[in-house]
Amino acid sequence: NAGVTQTPKFRVLKTGQSMTLLCAQDMNHEYMYWYRQDPGMGLRLIHYSVGEGTTAKGEVPDGYNVSRLKKQNFLLGLESAAPSQTSVYFCASNTPASGSETQYFGPGTRLLVL
Amino acid sequence: GENVEQHPSTLSVQEGDSAVIKCTYSDSASNYFPWYKQELGKGPQLIIDIRSNVGEKKDQRIAVTLNKTAKHFSLHITETQPEDSAVYFCAASPTGTASKLTFGTGTRLQVTL
Repeated sequence: NAGVTQTPKFRVLKTGQSMTLLCAQDMNHEYMYWYRQDPGMGLRLIHYSVGEGTTAKGEVPDGYNVSRLKKQNFLLGLESAAPSQTSVYFCASNTPASGSETQYFGPGTRLLVL
Repeated sequence: GENVEQHPSTLSVQEGDSAVIKCTYSDSASNYFPWYKQELGKGPQLIIDIRSNVGEKKDQRIAVTLNKTAKHFSLHITETQPEDSAVYFCAASPTGTASKLTFGTGTRLQVTL
C-alpha cells in the first residue's frame, strides 16, 4: 500500500514551458486535492476533485488545469510556466463521507521555473 | 472566505519542556480543525484533529483545545523530544468535511537537547 505518490519529485522548467504533475493514490479515495506550498504562506488549495470526472477551483487556480479521468489519478497541468509558479506542490486525498476526514498527503514535487 | 492565523512562526524549546502553538480563524461556520506535522522533505501528516462540538482532545503527549466563542484553537505538546522538531500547521474547514481546508502559515518547532 503505497498511499499517495507524486511524479516527478523535482523538475526545472524554463518560462513558457508546459508540464504535467501526476498524483496517484491506492486507497480508493473519492476526493483528491492539489496544493502549493510557498515559504511563509502555508499550503494553498489550487484545484480539487470530489470524484472521477469532476474538478473544481480552489483558492489559487489561475495558470493551472487539472483532470481526473481515473479515480486513482489526479493530474495538474501548467500550460505556460511562469517564475511565480516556482513552489512545492502537494497532492492529497481522502473520503470524507467514510467518517475519516483525514487528508493523506504525497511527498511533494519541487518545481523551479527559470 | 476563511482566514487562519498561526503563531508563533518559530518556537524553540528545551527537551522535556512543553510547546504551545496557537491559531485563530475567522469563519464561524468552521467546525473541523486538524493539525499537521511536516518533517523536512516530506508531506504533511495529520497528528490530531478536533470538531467544534468538543472543547479538548488528547492523544498521549499531544492535546488540542478549542474555544469556539473566541474562534481560536491551540496545540499543546508536553515532554517534548528531539523527534518533535518539525513544522506544524493548523487548518480549519468551514464545511466540516475537510473538503476545503484553509491552512495557517506554519510554526517551525525546534527541540534542543
